[in-house]
Amino acid sequence: GQQLNQSPQSMFIQEGEDVSMNCTSSSIFNTWLWYKQDPGEGPVLLIALYKAGELTSNGRLTAQFGITRKDSFLNISASIPSDVGIYFCAGRLQAGNNRKLIWGLGTSLAVNP
Amino acid sequence: DTEVTQTPKHLVMGMTNKKSLKCEQHMGHRAMYWYKQKAKKPPELMFVYSYEKLSINESVPSRFSPECPNSSLLNLHLHALQPEDSALYLCASSEALQFANTGELFFGEGSRLTVL
Repeated sequence: GQQLNQSPQSMFIQEGEDVSMNCTSSSIFNTWLWYKQDPGEGPVLLIALYKAGELTSNGRLTAQFGITRKDSFLNISASIPSDVGIYFCAGRLQAGNNRKLIWGLGTSLAVNP
Repeated sequence: DTEVTQTPKHLVMGMTNKKSLKCEQHMGHRAMYWYKQKAKKPPELMFVYSYEKLSINESVPSRFSPECPNSSLLNLHLHALQPEDSALYLCASSEALQFANTGELFFGEGSRLTVL
């Protein structure tokens, strides 16, 4: 099935550093969602985006809906150890079967205290 | 704390067993979902219920049988599973199925299934 290109696949950073990850596609999306998943837990919704160009923050997290509607990025500022986990982007296509979410393969984040 | 509750958290079963996974939400959501997730992979959609009716079945083998007794409950009945069915099974809900602003999924903590 269709997937989003999420990068990087993994990151290992020092506490206090900023983090950036993104998702891209060749298709146009009308919704972008960013989830975080801790080991053994279900994904937790971080940020939802609905309009091209939209920039939304949630604490130290900021995400943007790309102006072309084909990409989105998530930034984490001043990382802390509890930011460790897998971050997934998910999107809903502009056309076609838009009932299903399409998922990226995830970005695994490790933070060194 | 998640508002989608899944039980049991862990389940070990043999290939001849019959077991069930349960999910409950009290957010008034009208769409409920079952996902399967393998380690370090994104969730894979299995079934979607909308207003208590099965809306999507992603060609899931019949050894998995979903049931939606009411708008708050979702079950997944398991029978004659294979070891490769071992995974984290996630339940999710959303306000409604199709509309962008109400389609965000809220996940439970998952049921970790091991098939021996």
